[in-house]
Amino acid sequence: DVKVTQSSRYLVKRTGEKVFLECVQDMDHENMFWYRQDPGLGLRLIYFSYDVKMKEKGDIPEGYSVSREKKERFSLILESASTNQTSMYLCASKVLGLGENYGYTFGSGTRLTVV
Amino acid sequence: AQSVTQLDSHVSVSEGTPVLLRCNYSSSYSPSLFWYVQHPNKGLQLLLKYTSAATLVKGINGFEAEFKKSETSFHLTKPSAHMSDAAEYFCVVSDRGNTGKLIFGQGTTLQVKP
Repeated sequence: DVKVTQSSRYLVKRTGEKVFLECVQDMDHENMFWYRQDPGLGLRLIYFSYDVKMKEKGDIPEGYSVSREKKERFSLILESASTNQTSMYLCASKVLGLGENYGYTFGSGTRLTVV
Repeated sequence: AQSVTQLDSHVSVSEGTPVLLRCNYSSSYSPSLFWYVQHPNKGLQLLLKYTSAATLVKGINGFEAEFKKSETSFHLTKPSAHMSDAAEYFCVVSDRGNTGKLIFGQGTTLQVKP
């Protein structure tokens, strides 16, 4: 069964800390994504990557950066955590192309609280 | 630009009655559309997807959705609600280019009353 694994289910960090959220997929997918989920706002795209060392800003990249050194791993970095970054963070991956394999696999999420 | 609008933030039905969750989309070309479900404290699960094949798409757990280009709609239905259907549902449109970005609606919370 295909998997996207997020390293932490719950995380509590202090304001100003540098925070790393890790995501690993075992499907050899090219595309990977980071979303944040907030009540009433759905999921909003922070960053995505369509290849190793390639990254693109999503809709809300401010305060975040990403790293993709290996195909299977996509890391989200909060350079200096702030309380407004308290949220649920979801990682996803997908294979390139259309057809029956045109699908996304989501991780189970990391609930980050910044205090 | 692509977008989706879920017309109801909250829907309440009785067990055994039909479910209708409404979604309108905006896209400059033929979109790929999805419905995802998220149960409390669980991850996102794909219910069904439309990728330009049959306009009536059947998904898991008895759900289906119909793509109507003339109405720019992709409403989710189920003939008979079950208590286990209580969850949050997201309508999603995809950028069909190489980026594959997903654009989510705001979500609809489905409550199922006994």
